[in-house]
Amino acid sequence: SAVISQKPSRDICQRGTSLTIQCQVDSQVTMMFWYRQQPGQSLTLIATANQGSEATYESGFVIDKFPISRPNLTFSTLTVSNMSPEDSSIYLCSVVEGFSPEAFFGQGTRLTVV
Amino acid sequence: DQQVKQNSPSLSVQEGRISILNCDYTNSMFDYFLWYKKYPAEGPTFLISISSIKDKNEDGRFTVFLNKSAKHLSLHIVPSQPGDSAVYFCAARNSGNTPLVFGKGTRLSVIA
Repeated sequence: SAVISQKPSRDICQRGTSLTIQCQVDSQVTMMFWYRQQPGQSLTLIATANQGSEATYESGFVIDKFPISRPNLTFSTLTVSNMSPEDSSIYLCSVVEGFSPEAFFGQGTRLTVV
Repeated sequence: DQQVKQNSPSLSVQEGRISILNCDYTNSMFDYFLWYKKYPAEGPTFLISISSIKDKNEDGRFTVFLNKSAKHLSLHIVPSQPGDSAVYFCAARNSGNTPLVFGKGTRLSVIA
C-alpha cells in the first residue's frame, strides 16, 4: 500500500489565521480525498482533490474556506482559512491506488483553534 | 441522512472471547464494505473488506459477514486481544473510485 506522509501532525492556531496541511504519497495514486473528523464524530468527506483542476466539494464545504491544490499525482494540500474554534478537528488525507476498493489514510493533522 | 450506521458507540469484551461489531446501511448501491481500526493520534488503518457479491470474508482473526437483504454487516474478532482496543469504523463505497462513507465508529475495549 502507498505510504502517506501528512504534515503537520498537530497545530494550535489563533482564530482568524489559516493553516495549510500537506499530503505527500510515495507513489502515484488515482484519487486523493480530504476528510474531517470532529470530536466524537465520524469521518466526513470535505472534497475530492482532482489533479490539475479544481477540487470537488461536498455539501457544506466551500472552496473559499477549504482551498485545495493537487499539482500532481503524489501531492495535495488543504488550507483551512480564517479559522474559528469550530474548525478544531482532525483533518485526514486519503488515497486510492488504481482500482483497489481500499482507501489508505495519512496519520492525520490534529488542529486546535484558540 | 446517515447512509452507514453503527448504533453501538462502545463495546467491552473479555480477552479471548469474540468481539462482534455491527453496521447497518441504507444505500443498496454500495459495492464494497470495509472496516477500519483507529488508534488515538493515528489515521484509520484498513482491516478487511467485502464485496457486495460475497457474504463472508475471513482474514486471520477477523471475519466480516454481509447480509444484503438486511443491509447489515458485522465484524467478528476472535479471539479478542487487548491490542484490539481501538475505535472501529464501518465504511462503504459505490463502484469506481468513489469516496468512502463512514459510520460513527464503535469503541472496542478488550479487558485482560
